[in-house]
Amino acid sequence: RKEVEQDPGPFNVPEGATVAFNCTYSNSASQSFFWYRQDCRKEPKLLMSVYSSGNEDGRFTAQLNRASQYISLLIRDSKLSDSATYLCVVLNSGGYQKVTFGIGTKLQVIP
Amino acid sequence: SAVISQKPSRDICQRGTSLTIQCQVDSQVTMMFWYRQQPGQSLTLIATANQGSEATYESGFVIDKFPISRPNLTFSTLTVSNMSPEDSSIYLCSVEIPASGTSKQYFGPGTRLTVT
Repeated sequence: RKEVEQDPGPFNVPEGATVAFNCTYSNSASQSFFWYRQDCRKEPKLLMSVYSSGNEDGRFTAQLNRASQYISLLIRDSKLSDSATYLCVVLNSGGYQKVTFGIGTKLQVIP
Repeated sequence: SAVISQKPSRDICQRGTSLTIQCQVDSQVTMMFWYRQQPGQSLTLIATANQGSEATYESGFVIDKFPISRPNLTFSTLTVSNMSPEDSSIYLCSVEIPASGTSKQYFGPGTRLTVT
């Protein structure tokens, strides 16, 4: 089983739609979780951290479910500019910190 | 956050040659990382570079193939040695910034390498 698993998509959604991605992780001791956004031919950029209580940033909501070992990202009122690949990132600490990236979920918002 | 630059942004190299990629950060950071992202793949950590010590390599990556320098807290280089077409990839450096009880990673713009 991969350490971090994501559905690569692509998810094709119309403008204004709500879309959600999940990401599962295998290490129950994982400590920190993030969503990154990567545009085509660009570097990944931090979108938001994922907190145990869930957190919201504008149209974006991130949630963590430790019992089921997954995190989610919800995007409301999708914009064309949301089209990108969304990377799930898990941070483990065991001697030294290890960051593991998922393969990413590709989102295409259609006019 | 941090502002990170990489040079070169892209290069086309012949097999058997070596390329050194530079990474410059606008602030002093303890932890710097080098990643590779092959087409259609996620990011794979090559090594962690701490100033004043040897880099720590991940499984599948060795110092002879990917020598790393970290002469100070704002700069690092990664060399891709004796290149083959399989080394064609995007190479990214990143830094770790402590934040709110955890740490966050910020990435440079990447170096797109094509080996012919």
